[in-house]
Amino acid sequence: QVTLKESGPALVKPTQTLTLTCTFSGFSLSTSGMRVSWIRQPPGKALEWLARIDWDDDKFSSTSLKTRLTISKDTSKNQVVLTLTNMDPADTATYYCARTSIAAAPEAFDFWGQGTMVTVSS
Amino acid sequence: DIQMTQSPSSLSASVGDRVTITCRASQSISTYLNWYQQKPGKAPKLLIYAASSLQSGVPSRFSGSGSGTDFTLTISSLQPEDFATYYCQQSYGTSWTFGQGTKVEIK
Repeated sequence: QVTLKESGPALVKPTQTLTLTCTFSGFSLSTSGMRVSWIRQPPGKALEWLARIDWDDDKFSSTSLKTRLTISKDTSKNQVVLTLTNMDPADTATYYCARTSIAAAPEAFDFWGQGTMVTVSS
Repeated sequence: DIQMTQSPSSLSASVGDRVTITCRASQSISTYLNWYQQKPGKAPKLLIYAASSLQSGVPSRFSGSGSGTDFTLTISSLQPEDFATYYCQQSYGTSWTFGQGTKVEIK
């Protein structure tokens, strides 16, 4: 049974750095073909893909946020960590992590976490 | 980045209606196109991957088609549980993007 769960602060101040953790079970990010992405959704708005890390430690991120984003993994803990620097009220959103499995549904997000709401306010 | 444009942004339909949502990519993405359904307060759910492959457990009234730049999600007979927002998402190359969403409402 595949599950993912996001954790992190609910409130951050402008200019601070956000650190979110995705803790997952039911698969291993050391298995060939596995990927974990971060996606966010501002209130009432569309989904936005942020970044992805692959089983072989390849990393990719959104062009518009590339300079502010870092993604990493701890395979032994089954965790993926996202950091987003210089937070702004426009970064207020629900942040999701999601799995991609090349063997299951190639290049698609087949399992999602429940999401964690992050508000940026002083 | 590849831009994804969905149309319409919203639609009203009745139970039993055939519903079609389109998604256009700003450049060719072959069949690297996925569709998701999202209900209020919930995470999105994968419906269709690789443009036309039905995700396991998804009812057969959902279908997808297209390749290149133009794609379609069809619901053959709208059910009460299908009222939701639908998103397309491209996974071509290394920077992935979503469409702006189509909200399907009760008529």
